[in-house]
Amino acid sequence: QKEVEQNSGPLSVPEGAIASLNCTYSDRGSQSFFWYRQYSGKSPELIMFIYSNGDKEDGRFTAQLNKASQYVSLLIRDSQPSDSATYLCAVKSDSGYSTLTFGKGTMLLVSP
Amino acid sequence: NAGVTQTPKFQVLKTGQSMTLQCAQDMNHNSMYWYRQDPGMGLRLIYYSASEGTTDKGEVPNGYNVSRLNKREFSLRLESAAPSQTSVYFCASSEQVRSGNTIYFGEGSWLTVV
Repeated sequence: QKEVEQNSGPLSVPEGAIASLNCTYSDRGSQSFFWYRQYSGKSPELIMFIYSNGDKEDGRFTAQLNKASQYVSLLIRDSQPSDSATYLCAVKSDSGYSTLTFGKGTMLLVSP
Repeated sequence: NAGVTQTPKFQVLKTGQSMTLQCAQDMNHNSMYWYRQDPGMGLRLIYYSASEGTTDKGEVPNGYNVSRLNKREFSLRLESAAPSQTSVYFCASSEQVRSGNTIYFGEGSWLTVV
């Protein structure tokens, strides 16, 4: 069974700091990796996706992927109180058609 | 730009009652999904439809049925609701692309079974 593991948190960081969110996955066939943000009472929204080993940057967000270690992370630079949310890691394998497998999410709290 | 629309947003049911959650997407996506989200359990896939005319079971299909009415609409039916089905339900859709499967979610339906 494919598993995606995340620390449930909460991860507390002060405003302006770097928040580091981590995710590990069990399926070595996984090829696509996604980070979603979910505010309380709202639906998940896509922040970033990454397919290749290494880093991918988008504004204040950087996704990092290490397929050998089966590890994907999300860095949020200059964290803002508005970044306080639950961050969901999702993984997709490319073995034919497959759906996303989600982790349970990490709650991030950014204090002013 | 509506995206993925689900109805109703809130519903209270008595044990044993039936109901249907409706979902429609206007992004011309091939694939549609129903997830449930419970505290501490994350998002779990109930059923999905890879393309119009097909449906498949996900991780937690028991107690549910689905209908892919056309390319736009995908409904979820609870035939005999149980308190264990109290949850937040999300409909979602995606393009079926080879190297990615970015899913877009509806706003959710809060269901309470008493």
